[in-house]
Amino acid sequence: EAGVAQSPRYKIIEKRQSVAFWCNPISGHATLYWYQQILGQGPKLLIQFQNNGVVDDSQLPKDRFSAERLKGVDSTLKIQPAKLEDSAVYLCASSRTGGSGNTIYFGEGSWLTVV
Amino acid sequence: AQSVTQLDSQVPVFEEAPVELRCNYSSSVSVYLFWYVQYPNQGLQLLLKYLSGSTLVKGINGFEAEFNKSQTSFHLRKPSVHISDTAEYFCAVTPNQAGTALIFGKGTTLSVSS
Repeated sequence: EAGVAQSPRYKIIEKRQSVAFWCNPISGHATLYWYQQILGQGPKLLIQFQNNGVVDDSQLPKDRFSAERLKGVDSTLKIQPAKLEDSAVYLCASSRTGGSGNTIYFGEGSWLTVV
Repeated sequence: AQSVTQLDSQVPVFEEAPVELRCNYSSSVSVYLFWYVQYPNQGLQLLLKYLSGSTLVKGINGFEAEFNKSQTSFHLRKPSVHISDTAEYFCAVTPNQAGTALIFGKGTTLSVSS
């Protein structure tokens, strides 16, 4: 079974530029998550989708971050304009359902450096 | 709201020694508890999880954890570590209800040397 796929793996941009990350979850997984992991910290949830609907985006900085999950499968996370403090690893994850006991599977992450 | 505190940011140990990585949580509702491992430049991989039942949970790679409700702890243990166990370990919690995501601690770096 293929895991969670993310691209690009690495991205360096200048502040005020835009960037987009793509995620393909495990086949059949209804729930998709985007987490932000700043160096030295644990992952922090940005947004959670159930199929193509948003369950929780309370910690998403909506003035600059946006995310969508077209047709309930792939997802894109966009940052525009980027700030220096957005430098982090962006982890996409998926689970079979939204039940909190389900195992969440993580991708390898997209590393963003804003200079 | 829930929170997780990992009491040690770094734990250095020698190969074949036992290790304990400590995790405490705070929650006003029942929770599920998880330990994830992150190897360099990789995503997170589930080690083990506690949902209900026996408070001693066994996971992959010889790790185990014990849920202690009275002390709100979920410490991770391994009786004999290997060099390959060098990684970042994250404790996570989620409320026992649908539609809630994981809340992570800040992580503990386990460094195993020979």
